[in-house]
Amino acid sequence: ILNVEQSPQSLHVQEGDSTNFTCSFPPSNFYALHWYRWETAKSPEALFVMTLNGDEKKKGRISATLNTKEGYSYLYIKGSQPEDSATYLCAFMGNNFNKFYFGSGTKLNVKP
Amino acid sequence: GAVVSQHPSWVICKSGTSVKIECRSLDFQATTMFWYRQFPKQSLMLMATSNEGSKATYEQGVEKDKFLINHASLTLSTLTVTSAHPEDSSFYICSANQLTYEQYFGPGTRLTVT
Repeated sequence: ILNVEQSPQSLHVQEGDSTNFTCSFPPSNFYALHWYRWETAKSPEALFVMTLNGDEKKKGRISATLNTKEGYSYLYIKGSQPEDSATYLCAFMGNNFNKFYFGSGTKLNVKP
Repeated sequence: GAVVSQHPSWVICKSGTSVKIECRSLDFQATTMFWYRQFPKQSLMLMATSNEGSKATYEQGVEKDKFLINHASLTLSTLTVTSAHPEDSSFYICSANQLTYEQYFGPGTRLTVT
């Protein structure tokens, strides 16, 4: 079983705070790393697909970085808003590229 | 675009009965569909991968006869939990892709077996 770890498990921040979380994965046989945002009772929404070491992607106030050599990705949220409250999942895809291996997620709660 | 629906969103059934969950790609043809299961506070675990018109590929430890997967068309896959028991109670979620390595997820189904 391939181990993908996310930390922290949960996070409570005030509106306006910036925050970041980590996804760790085995660096061998890497193909892609996916980030999803998952609100309760909705479908997980794709945020980023990252493939190259050193990749940095941005979508509004959310950005992500990737280090494939050491096996980690960071997700940053700048100036958190209550609508950012959700669970953020990362998924590792290896060279058998059809399979995703998910972390257990980071649950973010942004208080107004 | 790339919307996946799942039905039902929640279901309660009695022990020993079978339950069918549907996964549909609404605005694209899915070459591959995936079924995942999530236990409380754990990650999504892949159960099986299915391609239209062929048998599903099950992950190690997943019982083929317990979890029947049918991928009858490019827009529909079904998961049937046969002779359900309380330990089958879980959150089941499907995803689909279309010739790329991105997966689009349904909203999931909460199954409770009493």
